[in-house]
Amino acid sequence: QITLKESGPTLVKPTQTLTLTCTFSGFSLSTGGVGVGWVRQPPGKALEWLALLYWDEDKRYSPSLKSRLTITKDTSKNQVVLTMTNMDPVDTATYYCAHMDYDSGKYDSWGQGTLVTVSS
Amino acid sequence: EIVLTQSPGTLSLSPGERATLSCRASQSVSSSYLAWYQQKPGQAPRLLIYGASSRATGIPDRFSGSGSGTDFTLTISRLEPEDFAVYYCQQYGRAFGPGTKVDIK
Repeated sequence: QITLKESGPTLVKPTQTLTLTCTFSGFSLSTGGVGVGWVRQPPGKALEWLALLYWDEDKRYSPSLKSRLTITKDTSKNQVVLTMTNMDPVDTATYYCAHMDYDSGKYDSWGQGTLVTVSS
Repeated sequence: EIVLTQSPGTLSLSPGERATLSCRASQSVSSSYLAWYQQKPGQAPRLLIYGASSRATGIPDRFSGSGSGTDFTLTISRLEPEDFAVYYCQQYGRAFGPGTKVDIK
């Protein structure tokens, strides 16, 4: 059974850097054909894809946010970390991580999400 | 960058009715890489359909997906009370469409 859980601050100030950790179980990011993605959702709005990390360390970023995002992994800890710089109130959202199947691109298991509020 | 649009924005139907949701891509998408998700308030999205037409594990057969190229469809044959939710399409683990809300008429 695959499980994922997001963790990190619930409140950040404008201009600060957000660091979120996705801790997972039931799979390994050293296994071929696996990825972990990050998705966010502002309150009352649609899902927005942010970043994707494959088992082979290949990375993909949303073109509109690429300059602000970094995604990394710690295979030994079963964790994927997303950092987003220069946070703004418009970045207030629930942030989700999800397990991705490389062959189909489907996100078949999701974390519960963590709400991050950007406010001074 | 592929952009997905979904229509209609909101679909108001009654339980037992058929729902037809559309997802259109700005350029051709491999059918293998088109997925649909359901999201209810306060919950994470749930995978419904992948590869344009394959149902995910545990998804009832009233949900079906079809399409190719730039036009894809999610059909719910007979709406159950638990199906009233927001539905998103996605191409290969990346961009999502803006969603279609299916609400009770």
